[in-house]
Amino acid sequence: DAGVTQSPTHLIKTRGQQVTLRCSPKSGHDTVSWYQQALGQGPQFIFQYYEEEERQRGNFPDRFSGHQFPNYSSELNVNALLLGDSALYLCASSWAGVADTGELFFGEGSRLTVL
Amino acid sequence: SQQGEEDPQALSIQEGENATMNCSYKTSINNLQWYRQNSGRGLVHLILIRSNEREKHSGRLRVTLDTSKKSSSLLITASRAADTASYFCATGSGGGADGLTFGKGTHLIIQP
Repeated sequence: DAGVTQSPTHLIKTRGQQVTLRCSPKSGHDTVSWYQQALGQGPQFIFQYYEEEERQRGNFPDRFSGHQFPNYSSELNVNALLLGDSALYLCASSWAGVADTGELFFGEGSRLTVL
Repeated sequence: SQQGEEDPQALSIQEGENATMNCSYKTSINNLQWYRQNSGRGLVHLILIRSNEREKHSGRLRVTLDTSKKSSSLLITASRAADTASYFCATGSGGGADGLTFGKGTHLIIQP
């Protein structure tokens, strides 16, 4: 049973560029959440996708956008990259059938460096 | 913004000793979870305690929750070198659509 997979694992971009990160959820999961983790900090919630719609969003500008596909996989897009966007981007999957925010299954992350 | 605050920020103990980490949070919660992260990799779920529970055990882990003080503690008994990692508490405040709010973490080092 494959867990949450993310790609790419590492990437380097320059300021102003755009990046797309990809995530495949754990088998049987239909909900994907994205988190940003700066060095030495805890993860911060970016947004969550369910049924191909953004269901909730954290305190991130609209330079951060996403998409969920019919097979439940998801993409995170960041436009007009800033140096401060350098971070580990984590994808987490879950099943919408739980009544509250239960256990999340995380991928290994995509480490983005903006120069 | 971070809701939870773990204490201490860093902890170094000898293998075999017990490790205790604390977490405080600010708003009302539905549940509180603890996660482990090894050296900048993905997070692994350890244990979830609901707001109507006071204590929960899982193997060598014991979690307590005091909603009146808005605090939780994680105890790892008989620590092992493999327990070296960062530990984060995370709170969920509502329905399934809510993202988790993480603290800054406690970095635990187990000396062999």
